[in-house]
Amino acid sequence: RKEVEQDPGPFNVPEGATVAFNCTYSNSASQSFFWYRQDCRKEPKLLMSVYSSGNEDGRFTAQLNRASQYISLLIRDSKLSDSATYLCVVGTNAGKSTFGDGTTLTVKP
Amino acid sequence: DAGVTQSPTHLIKTRGQQVTLRCSPKSGHDTVSWYQQALGQGPQFIFQYYEEEERQRGNFPDRFSGHQFPNYSSELNVNALLLGDSALYLCASSLGQGARFYGYTFGSGTRLTVV
Repeated sequence: RKEVEQDPGPFNVPEGATVAFNCTYSNSASQSFFWYRQDCRKEPKLLMSVYSSGNEDGRFTAQLNRASQYISLLIRDSKLSDSATYLCVVGTNAGKSTFGDGTTLTVKP
Repeated sequence: DAGVTQSPTHLIKTRGQQVTLRCSPKSGHDTVSWYQQALGQGPQFIFQYYEEEERQRGNFPDRFSGHQFPNYSSELNVNALLLGDSALYLCASSLGQGARFYGYTFGSGTRLTVV
């Protein structure tokens, strides 16, 4: 079993749709949680951190459930420019961050 | 504000050869982590350097080694290259660890092809 698991998709949605991605992790000692976005053949870029209380950044909302070891990302009002691969990342205080294999999103006109 | 710079951007090597990849972290960052990303997969953690020492290591053989210099820049060395080492190698810089960790800034990567 992988340390961080994501539904690979692909998710194909129309513009304006709401889409949710899920991620589970196995290391209960994990302390840091992030979502990254990676465009084709580019480097990953930090999208947002994920906090236990949940956090929102514009159209993006991230949630963390420590008891279930589960992270989610919700994108509202999808734009064409949201098309990318979304990577779930879980880290420990020792400094190692583990990436999921990503979920691919395609937003269509 | 300079981001993370990696060199070279592309590299073709022959099986059995050795390669050195270089990374300069973002200004103000003191920690460098290296990741290997194969096509269709997420980045896999190779190791992390902080204060010129290897602090954490992933499941990579000893053929993979590294170094961090006093100016925080870092090198990744791979010996006895295998075809399976072909991948995008990403350098990620960050500031601090533990509670002070706020996520990585990645370089654009070095695409290594082993033939």
